[in-house]
Formats: sequence, structure tokens, C-alpha cells
Amino acid sequence: ILNVEQSPQSLHVQEGDSTNFTCSFPSSNFYALHWYRWETAKSPEALFVMTLNGDEKKKGRISATLNTKEGYSYLYIKGSQPEDSATYLCAFIGPGGAQKLVFGQGTRLTINP
Amino acid sequence: DTAVSQTPKYLVTQMGNDKSIKCEQNLGHDTMYWYKQDSKKFLKIMFSYNNKELIINETVPNRFSPKSPDKAHLNLHINSLELGDSAVYFCASSQGGGWDNSPLHFGNGTRLTVT
Repeated sequence: ILNVEQSPQSLHVQEGDSTNFTCSFPSSNFYALHWYRWETAKSPEALFVMTLNGDEKKKGRISATLNTKEGYSYLYIKGSQPEDSATYLCAFIGPGGAQKLVFGQGTRLTINP
Repeated sequence: DTAVSQTPKYLVTQMGNDKSIKCEQNLGHDTMYWYKQDSKKFLKIMFSYNNKELIINETVPNRFSPKSPDKAHLNLHINSLELGDSAVYFCASSQGGGWDNSPLHFGNGTRLTVT
């Protein structure tokens, strides 16, 4: 059974502050890691697909890094805004491809104005 | 234009009934999926369907069956509904068969309540 763990489970951040959270996954048989943002009452939306050790991806104020050797990825948000409030999911793809994509439980981020 | 649409949004039904949830994607994607959001809020894959290849999560009861009339549709049929089937079900699609780097595109979910 593959374990994908995210920490913390929830996070409250003051508007304007920067924050980061972690996704841990098996370091063997790695193929890809996905990050999704899931706003309340909406569906998950893809942020990044990461495949190479050392990958860094950026979209606006959000960025992510990947370490496949030790099995973790960090998601960073710079200068948090209220619209960043959402649950951030990571998903690990190993043997079996996307048909066996395994999601973490998510980090629920709340930005306090 | 909704990329992945699923209907209905809410479904309330009684134990023992048979029900279906429909999913359609207009993205031209090759692979479609059904996920169940469990009580701990995890998204757990139920099925994936790609070029007529169905991959089933072995933990899914055989009361659940996917039906794909064409590449753009993957419907979920549930027979003899049980209380424990109450959950939110998400349809998703992706380009390629899972060995590419394309992300998933999700529908808005169907909240199933079994009474």
C-alpha cells in the first residue's frame, strides 16, 4: 500500500505572510508528482506536474520543489492572499501510471485577512 | 464551457436502489477516472478507463460498474445501494494513458446520500 502523507493537515496564515507545506511519498519507483488546489465547492485544479529530481515549478506566487531521492515535495506560497485559501493536494504516481495515482489527504490552508 | 461535467450534483436515494452517475468530458482526453472521496476526505481511485482498457481498484465492490459508451463518457452504475456508499464521487479525465505527464481534470463531484 502506497503512503502519501501531507503535513500539516491544516494551516492558518496571516495575509501577506509566506508559507509552505510538505508532501511525503515513497522514494522508490517514482514516476511523477502532482499538486492540486481544491477550493471549497469546486473541483481540484492542477497546479504542477513534477517528474525530475530537483524540479522546481512556479506559477505566480506559488512554487514547488521535488526531491525524489528522499521522497518529498514542498509547496511554497509567497505573500499569501485570501484567495489562496483552499486545500492543497499532492498525488504520487508510481508503478501503474496515472491509473494508480495516489492522493495525500491534503493541507487545508486558511488565510486570515 | 465545462470541461468535465457530471450529473447529478446531488443524489438522494434509499438503500437497495440502483442508480447511475453520468460523466462527460469535452477535452478529447484518452483516459477517464472515477474517484470516491472517503470519510477521511481522501480521494481514492475506483476505476480508470483508457482505450477500452478498464483498470479496477480491487477494493471496489462489484456492485459498482463503469460504463463507457464512447471515449468522452464514463458513467458509474451502482447496484443495491448501501448506507456506506454515501460519499462524494468525482469523475476526472487526462490526456494519454497515464504514462505521460498530463494532470487530471476533475468534475465538480456528485454527493450521493443513501438513506
